[in-house]
Amino acid sequence: DIQMTQSPSSLSASVGDRVTITCRASQNIGTYLNWYQQKPGKAPKLLIYETSSLQSGVPSRFSGSGSGTDFSLTINSLQPEDFATYYCQKSYDTPLTFGGGTKVDIK
Amino acid sequence: EVQLVESGGALVKPGGSLRLSCEGSGFRFSFYSMNWVRQAPGKGLEWVASISSSGSNTYYADSVKGRFTISRDSAKNSQYLQMNSLRVEDTAVYYCARDARYSSAWSAIDYWGQGTLVAVSS
Repeated sequence: DIQMTQSPSSLSASVGDRVTITCRASQNIGTYLNWYQQKPGKAPKLLIYETSSLQSGVPSRFSGSGSGTDFSLTINSLQPEDFATYYCQKSYDTPLTFGGGTKVDIK
Repeated sequence: EVQLVESGGALVKPGGSLRLSCEGSGFRFSFYSMNWVRQAPGKGLEWVASISSSGSNTYYADSVKGRFTISRDSAKNSQYLQMNSLRVEDTAVYYCARDARYSSAWSAIDYWGQGTLVAVSS
């Protein structure tokens, strides 16, 4: 099975910062990589699907890139509501493995 | 408005059984493949099982294969997760989740329920 590895596992940032989170697949997954945001006590929310497509209603400060095995999620000009945990996930075939998560907190 | 509402979570002893339900509304349930995803306390997300839109194909994580069964009843706009031989490590919030249908293969998850807590403890 394909493993998904996120880095860093946590980071501290300030409002207005540009933040980049990376996700690495253990095998080539093409562009079948999705990103979610989760806040404490809430269900995850889809941000980006298939590497770089912005889910409807998601602010344009979120963007995704990559292909094959290396992917990234970038948040431009971090806002107070962006402090959360972010997960990558592979799709296309099962298992639909998630990365371990990256917690973004306030510096 | 798309909604997914889970029910059935409870405290159960190791070795016990439980059946989770998820009712969908606001969309044509029979068109969508569905998933269960869980999250142990303080931990990350773990995919558990998926079922195709027709119900003909089911898929499971190795950690639950042979113990859990996913099913659906599109006439009731519902999917289910029958959990048998429960273990302490199955303790988690279980989310019902809809496949987004962005591709012909398994896609991203675009809608999630609020989750239901399953606690396995003696």
